[in-house]
Order: sequence, then structure tokens, then C-alpha cells
Amino acid sequence: NAGVTQTPKFQVLKTGQSMTLQCAQDMNHEYMSWYRQDPGMGLRLIHYSVGAGITDQGEVPNGYNVSRSTTEDFPLRLLSAAPSQTSVYFCASRHGGENTEAFFGQGTRLTVV
Amino acid sequence: KNEVEQSPQNLTAQEGEFITINCSYSVGISALHWLQQHPGGGIVSLFMLSSGKKKHGRLIATINIQEKHSSLHITASHPRDSAVYICAVGGGSQGNLIFGKGTKLSVKP
Repeated sequence: NAGVTQTPKFQVLKTGQSMTLQCAQDMNHEYMSWYRQDPGMGLRLIHYSVGAGITDQGEVPNGYNVSRSTTEDFPLRLLSAAPSQTSVYFCASRHGGENTEAFFGQGTRLTVV
Repeated sequence: KNEVEQSPQNLTAQEGEFITINCSYSVGISALHWLQQHPGGGIVSLFMLSSGKKKHGRLIATINIQEKHSSLHITASHPRDSAVYICAVGGGSQGNLIFGKGTKLSVKP
């Protein structure tokens, strides 16, 4: 049972480059989300999706795009990387509803130079 | 004021000690989550609770809804317990989680 699979684990980008962080889950979870983790701060929500074809912005959406064409996949796109996007990114999924356990990917450490 | 406050921020303990990490929140919630993150590693869910107490091995989580407070206890701590422990509450828009900043625990042998 793979759970939440996130790739790549590490990435270095130059300012202005674009890239896609991949996230896939095999638990048929309706809800998927992307967070960034920065030193001294709690995880902050970037974008989330409550089901295929539905996405919405979180707390810090600027500079990021998402799509949810299938239940399993929820990629995060950086359109034009900036040094301020240097962070650790986590994808998470859970069943719909409020009182459900969250499952996290292993994280992507992104450095923008 | 942060909606989820954890204390302490950093904690160093000797192997075998009893450890308590606290979490206070200021919003109405449907459930509270305790998560564990090892250095350089992913995030793992330890507990999800909306009332009372839960126990798993040496870990115990309690919540007091009236006081908006939860504690995570570790009995007979071990160096492998060294990690960041994160409190998160559910209750935001679409049930989104709101996270505390985490408590970094280091257990010395």
C-alpha cells in the first residue's frame, strides 16, 4: 500500500524556471492538499481539492497552480520560480469530511537560486 | 495571535523521562491531530481526537474541548522519539487543517 507518493524528493531550480511537483495517492481519498513548510512557521496551505475537477486556493497560493483531473493525482506547478519559493513542500490526502486522518507524502525540498 | 500555539518550542530530555507537549487553540474545531516529523523525513499522523484520551504504545494524547487544550505525553522516552511534534486542528474552510509551529524534541541517551 503506497499511500501518498510525492516526487521529486529534492530539486534545485534557477529563478524563472518552471517545474511540477507530483503527488499521487492510492487510497481513493477525495481531499488532497499542498502545504509549504518554512523555518519557524507552521505548515501553510497552498491549494487544495475536495474532488476531481475541483480546486481552491489556500493561504499562500500566489505563484502556484494546481489541477485535479483524476482522484489519484494532484500536481503542483511553479510557473516562474522565485527564491521566496525555497521551501519544503508536502502533499497530503484524506477522505472527505472533517474528522478524518490525514496522510502525508515524504516531502520535496526545493531550492530556488 | 496564532490560532494554534504549541509549547515548548524546543525540548531536551534524558532517555526514560516522561515528556509532555502542549497545544492550545483559539478556534472552534472538529478534531485535533498530533503529527510526528523525523529529521529530513515525512510527516506521520499519530493521533486524531475530538474528545477524551487516546493511547498508542508509549504515546498518550488528551484533549479538553472546554479549555481548548490538548497534550501529547511520551512515557519512558527513547532517543528514537527525537522528532518534531506538530499539533493541527481541523475546522477551517472545507475542514482544512491549521497547524502549530511544532515542538522539536531531542532525547539524549
